Amino acid sequence: NAGVTQTPKFQVLKTGQSMTLQCAQDMNHNSMYWYRQDPGMGLRLIYYSASEGTTDKGEVPNGYNVSRLNKREFSLRLESAAPSQTSVYFCASREQPGQGKDGYTFGSGTRLTVV
Amino acid sequence: DQQVKQNSPSLSVQEGRISILNCDYTNSMFDYFLWYKKYPAEGPTFLISISSIKDKNEDGRFTVFLNKSAKHLSLHIVPSQPGDSAVYFCAASGGTSYGKLTFGQGTILTVHP
Repeated sequence: NAGVTQTPKFQVLKTGQSMTLQCAQDMNHNSMYWYRQDPGMGLRLIYYSASEGTTDKGEVPNGYNVSRLNKREFSLRLESAAPSQTSVYFCASREQPGQGKDGYTFGSGTRLTVV
Repeated sequence: DQQVKQNSPSLSVQEGRISILNCDYTNSMFDYFLWYKKYPAEGPTFLISISSIKDKNEDGRFTVFLNKSAKHLSLHIVPSQPGDSAVYFCAASGGTSYGKLTFGQGTILTVHP
C-alpha cells in the first residue's frame, strides 16, 4: 500500500547511545518532515526537507540530525540519546510545500524510550 | 509559546449527538487550518481543512468553522459515532510557517454508544 513507512516501530535506548530512525515514502512527494509527539504538547516539528537535497530546522532540532538520502527517504539520527528524547516520532510527507489542500501523509510512528 | 491551543484535553459525547472541538491560535499570519484524527498506534490522518478566506467548510458529517477576528476555529461532528472516538489535533500554517504545520495539544474524543 502506498504511504509512509517508518522503522523501527519501537526502540529502547540507553542514555548516550545513538540510533537512526528510518522513513520512506512511495508517493513521489517532494517534502518530508519529522515530528515528535509528547503528552500535552501535540506534535512538534524537528526537521523538514522541502525537496531532495535540502533540510531545515524546525521548532525542536537540538539533539537531532537528518539526512535526505534521496526523494523517497528521510532519516532522523540521535547521536547521543537523552531521556528527554523519549517520545513518539512521526515522519510525514507532502506533495509540494504550500500547494494542494489535502494535508500531509503520516507514518504510523516510532515509539522511542531512552533510559 | 504555544501558538495553537486546544484547551479541552478531553470530550465525552453520546452517540448521535453533536461533538464540538475547539481550537485557538495566536499567530495572525496563519492562513490555513487543518484537523487531524489519530487512533492509538497510528499516525494522524487528515480530516478536513479550511482556508482563511472562508468561514466554513463541510465534508459529510464534519464541518469546520473559522472566526478570524477571534482567532478561533471549531470542528463539529454531527451525528457523532463510536468510531469517531480518537484524538483530534488542529493544526495551522502560514506566514513564516508556510508549508509547515503547527499543532495544538490534541483533544481526546470519546463517543459512547
